[in-house]
Order: sequence, then C-alpha cells, then structure tokens
Amino acid sequence: GAVVSQHPSWVICKSGTSVKIECRSLDFQATTMFWYRQFPKQSLMLMATSNEGSKATYEQGVEKDKFLINHASLTLSTLTVTSAHPEDSSFYICSASSQSGNSPLHFGNGTRLTVT
Amino acid sequence: GNSVTQMEGPVTLSEEAFLTINCTYTATGYPSLFWYVQYPGEGLQLLLKATKADDKGSNKGFEATYRKETTSFHLEKGSVQVSDSAVYFCALSRSNSNSGYALNFGKGTSLLVTP
Repeated sequence: GAVVSQHPSWVICKSGTSVKIECRSLDFQATTMFWYRQFPKQSLMLMATSNEGSKATYEQGVEKDKFLINHASLTLSTLTVTSAHPEDSSFYICSASSQSGNSPLHFGNGTRLTVT
Repeated sequence: GNSVTQMEGPVTLSEEAFLTINCTYTATGYPSLFWYVQYPGEGLQLLLKATKADDKGSNKGFEATYRKETTSFHLEKGSVQVSDSAVYFCALSRSNSNSGYALNFGKGTSLLVTP
C-alpha cells in the first residue's frame, strides 16, 4: 500500500542550528503534503500545507521564516527548522495526499526533534 | 472552525472487554470523520472513516457510526486485545479551503489493554 517515509526519525541538535526533515511519498505522487506538530500528550496541530511547485500555506501563529517548507517534487517535501531553540523540541509528522476532494490517508512515522 | 472533542484517557481495560471511546464534533457543512491509531513508537495509521451521515466505518473489529443528530462518531470494539493498546485519535476534515484535505484532531485517548 501507499507509504510515506519520514527522515530522520529522531534528531538532536544544538540551539541556533538548523535541522531539515524530509517527507517522501514512496509509491504515489503527493500533490499535497501537510506538516503537523505534536506536543507530549497533546493532539496534532497543523503547521502548514504545501502543494507541489507553490508556496506553502501556513496556519495562524506558525512562523514561516522559522519553519521553511519546500515541496519541490511530487514525492518530496522538506521542513527546515531554522535557528532552532529548545521550545522547538517536539514531534513533527508529515502527511501526504494524492486525492482530490478527500482527506489524507498516509502519515509518516514522525521525527522527534530535541534541541539542546 | 471544525473541531472534535474526545474523551480523556488513559483507558485501561482487561482483554476481551468492550471498548467505547467517545468523540463529538462541531462543524459547518458536512465533514468527513476519521479514527486514527498510533501504536507506541510509530506514526498514525488510518483505522476507519465515514464520509456522510449514518455511514458506519469499520476495520479490525472496530467500528464507528457518523451520527449527525448527536454530532458524534464514537469508536467501539466488542472484544479488545492486548495488541489494541495504542493512542486513538478522532479527526475531521477542515472547512478551511486553504488547507484542502487537512484534518483537525482530537487530543487522543490512550488505551491500555491488560491480559
């Protein structure tokens, strides 16, 4: 079945550095990808929606200059956390959809980011 | 905007017990409703969905019915197994067209099934 691969599964970085997270659709073309953030024991919060070849649409309160999203191809979207701070430590999950008029069914396994 | 409220956990049950996890929603229009499951250390997996009122989604012995009159989508299973231990998320499609097919999630309900 359809698979979304997210890499890395976990990463530790120092404050002030940048971290890139990749989300790939392995056997389908993902016209739309979504990036979520999950705090401990909390729900998933949508950060942004990206469509291949266009700028991402960010949710209110999400800093687009801090969380850079690139969706350069139909199988790859990247989220770069720039100048990371400890409060950026979280679980980041991507989701991809190839369908129109329906909701995404395929999630990555998530990336645990720890900023020290 | 569209939102879901699901019961707080954790829920602890003995094997073969009956499971209900309540989920109610607030929405404009007619959203699709979903249950996702997250096993320890893994990402989210779609468990079941329903796209219109009175639809029943079912999978792996779990089922949920889209109830428009009570704005609910409660998850049920007649006999749980230890392997069902996970976090369950109720979700619905968003109404914001900018987000296309994005979902709004509930806070999740942790289920622990003991032998």
